Amino acid sequence: GEDVEQSLFLSVREGDSSVINCTYTDSSSTYLYWYKQEPGAGLQLLTYIFSNMDMKQDQRLTVLLNKKDKHLSLRIADTQTGDSAIYFCAETRNTGGFKTIFGAGTRLFVKA
Amino acid sequence: KAGVTQTPRYLIKTRGQQVTLSCSPISGHRSVSWYQQTPGQGLQFLFEYFSETQRNKGNFPGRFSGRQFSNSRSEMNVSTLELGDSALYLCASRPDSTDTQYFGPGTRLTVL
Repeated sequence: GEDVEQSLFLSVREGDSSVINCTYTDSSSTYLYWYKQEPGAGLQLLTYIFSNMDMKQDQRLTVLLNKKDKHLSLRIADTQTGDSAIYFCAETRNTGGFKTIFGAGTRLFVKA
Repeated sequence: KAGVTQTPRYLIKTRGQQVTLSCSPISGHRSVSWYQQTPGQGLQFLFEYFSETQRNKGNFPGRFSGRQFSNSRSEMNVSTLELGDSALYLCASRPDSTDTQYFGPGTRLTVL
């Protein structure tokens, strides 16, 4: 199928690490993405990883890719209350036309 | 560079009416895609335009249409509005060289 799957909710305490997991289906995806959406806002591109990489670090964000299992994760170190948002995992497909397939989004709650 | 802009930001219509939404991509981006976001269905791909041509279309009825102008600005039209068309409509643009999309803030459409 076309599904990108992710868990719906995650609750962490401020200062802890958050790990959001995602599984995707298309092994030919060149890039995999994490987007953040705050209430009433559009999608903010957080980070992405090229499919021939295993890991990418960008300040507090670490993306891990297990291409064999089609598993992607986003780790947020030292989670802050401002990180409370919905996080979407996404893959792009460029065969027969370009489109992005999104997961349902993981709502991250950060408790002070 | 200015980001992706969408107008209007909010819109209220009644069933049976039609609506036109506008999107201005990041300067230099020729690809514009549209997505519908609803609580029940999540983020779903509507269509992609590149150099005034529709290159890909999602699984939406013919009431949903779009076009792109020579300056890459795009419009999306929904005719004979239904209650279920209430959603956040997001536009995204990307440069030719990558699959990475940049999203606008969205237009929130409410159909009464």
